[in-house]
Amino acid sequence: GENVEQHPSTLSVQEGDSAVIKCTYSDSASNYFPWYKQELGKRPQLIIDIRSNVGEKKDQRIAVTLNKTAKHFSLHITETQPEDSAVYFCAARTGNQFYFGTGTSLTVIP
Amino acid sequence: NAGVTQTPKFRILKIGQSMTLQCAQDMNHNYMYWYRQDPGMGLKLIYYSVGAGITDKGEVPNGYNVSRSTTEDFPLRLELAAPSQTSVYFCASSNSGGNTEAFFGQGTRLTVV
Repeated sequence: GENVEQHPSTLSVQEGDSAVIKCTYSDSASNYFPWYKQELGKRPQLIIDIRSNVGEKKDQRIAVTLNKTAKHFSLHITETQPEDSAVYFCAARTGNQFYFGTGTSLTVIP
Repeated sequence: NAGVTQTPKFRILKIGQSMTLQCAQDMNHNYMYWYRQDPGMGLKLIYYSVGAGITDKGEVPNGYNVSRSTTEDFPLRLELAAPSQTSVYFCASSNSGGNTEAFFGQGTRLTVV
């Protein structure tokens, strides 16, 4: 089955700096890659996603890139703010299954 | 449109007790999932369903059972609760298109003592 690896597991950045989280996947049949943000004690919520026929997608300060050949995708957050502090999960969807990374705990230091 | 609704939000069980975690969605999604999330860890799939009357085991099904009698509801049953089942449980749903997100419920924090 699919295997999704996520790095780093923890990340601290100064407010205003950029943060990058990277994921790799193993199954070339995966065709949809969502990113979720989970604040403490809350449910995971979608922040951005990318489909396999797209290489890059941007939404304000958040962008995601996908390299299908290398089977990796990344989340980029620019101009980080304290409210960006949370756990971020990448995922790959193959058919009816979602495979999640192990999460990155992002801390933005004011 | 409430999305995915889970009850209860919190529960404490004694070892050996049983309980059912309720999950309902009003988005007419075919696919529903149960995950558990241990502290500092990712999401592990317990069971999933691709439609009413169909359920399949995920990565960590032991100690749990599910049923899917309607499109809307997907309850998770814990039989003979054990301390190892202390976790946060999330129900999620998605539609059957291959390129759409999973929507999560608010979670149930379960402690087995």
